Amino acid sequence: RKEVEQDPGPFNVPEGATVAFNCTYSNSASQSFFWYRQDCRKEPKLLMSVYSSGNEDGRFTAQLNRASQYISLLIRDSKLSDSATYLCVVNKGNFNKFYFGSGTKLNVKP
Amino acid sequence: EAQVTQNPRYLITVTGKKLTVTCSQNMNHEYMSWYRQDPGLGLRQIYYSMNVEVTDKGDVPEGYKVSRKEKRNFPLILESPSPNQTSLYFCASSSDASPYNEQFFGPGTRLTVL
Repeated sequence: RKEVEQDPGPFNVPEGATVAFNCTYSNSASQSFFWYRQDCRKEPKLLMSVYSSGNEDGRFTAQLNRASQYISLLIRDSKLSDSATYLCVVNKGNFNKFYFGSGTKLNVKP
Repeated sequence: EAQVTQNPRYLITVTGKKLTVTCSQNMNHEYMSWYRQDPGLGLRQIYYSMNVEVTDKGDVPEGYKVSRKEKRNFPLILESPSPNQTSLYFCASSSDASPYNEQFFGPGTRLTVL
């Protein structure tokens, strides 16, 4: 079983739509959680860390549900520039091993 | 400019010919890591280093070696490359070994082994 699982998509949405991605992780002892964004053929870049209380950064909201072992990312008012692959990342806390999901592809269309 | 650099960016080689991919960061980061990215599998950690002369295996270390003689450099060595090592490789660094830190990635090295 994979450590981190994501729906690969693609999610095709119109500009202005609200879209949500989920990610599940297998190890209940996981300590830290992130969403990274990766543009085609480019390096991943941190979008936001995910905290137990949930956190928001502009149009982006991340939630963590430890009981069900999933992380979510909500994007409101989608922009064309949001088109990318979104990677869910989990750290089990043991000496800094990071586990990446295979990514969810988002296409925002005019 | 704070950055992680990798060289080469693209490499086509043949089975068995030793190669090294260099990685360098100018942010004085303690933690560095190598990943490979394959379709449908996501990024998988190959090796990581928590400081100079401290390295450890990630999830897919077979066929790879690393060294950390200086804080800024973390080269990835393929002693005898094979076609199943054809992949997109990323080097990353973060300020220290805290699991809560952001990782900064290099631009990637696309390796093809024939």
